[in-house]
Amino acid sequence: DTAVSQTPKYLVTQMGNDKSIKCEQNLGHDTMYWYKQDSKKFLKIMFSYNNKELIINETVPNRFSPKSPDKAHLNLHINSLELGDSAVYFCASSQETSGIFYNEQFFGPGTRLTVL
Amino acid sequence: AQSVTQLDSHVSVSEGTPVLLRCNYSSSYSPSLFWYVQHPNKGLQLLLKYTSAATLVKGINGFEAEFKKSETSFHLTKPSAHMSDAAEYFCVVSDYPPNSGNTPLVFGKGTRLSVIA
Repeated sequence: DTAVSQTPKYLVTQMGNDKSIKCEQNLGHDTMYWYKQDSKKFLKIMFSYNNKELIINETVPNRFSPKSPDKAHLNLHINSLELGDSAVYFCASSQETSGIFYNEQFFGPGTRLTVL
Repeated sequence: AQSVTQLDSHVSVSEGTPVLLRCNYSSSYSPSLFWYVQHPNKGLQLLLKYTSAATLVKGINGFEAEFKKSETSFHLTKPSAHMSDAAEYFCVVSDYPPNSGNTPLVFGKGTRLSVIA
């Protein structure tokens, strides 16, 4: 069984389109994250949700909107895609207490987004 | 604010020889430190973590790291490299200000480990 799954694995789209990436975890964790990994492999956190509430919202364009319908899902919707959005996006989850982030994060396999 | 510097972007070793991946960090309070590994086209996997317990931390696959506060270092080592160790390795820090939860994870830029047969 896959612990953290993302769909799709690859996404190729035109500039200006709107797209979504889905993430699901079956670990029973209460905290989920989205990270962006650029072409130089640099990983940066974008968002974090704890029990469906947004607790981290780093400086990302407001074209990116996370949505958490329940504790097991954290989807990422991107409006008006730009060339610079091309990257690998990773979802992760962990079991945290009171916003303390030192527990192991389990990562999904990533979604490679290419904007043409 | 916390930060992490991985001193080598690429390390190449022969199979069976020791591995050393260097990491220096900065933090204002009590850091938690991690090493994650990313195999090609895969997600990240935790190798080991330090959270203010023993300074020598043992992880999976024979890796270990030593927290040295005086040197602000958390280097990753393995006595004998295997071909399967070839991957990208990330040093990660999270700080812990008083009366507050930990800060989010901050990743280093990664070190690519190549293992030569």
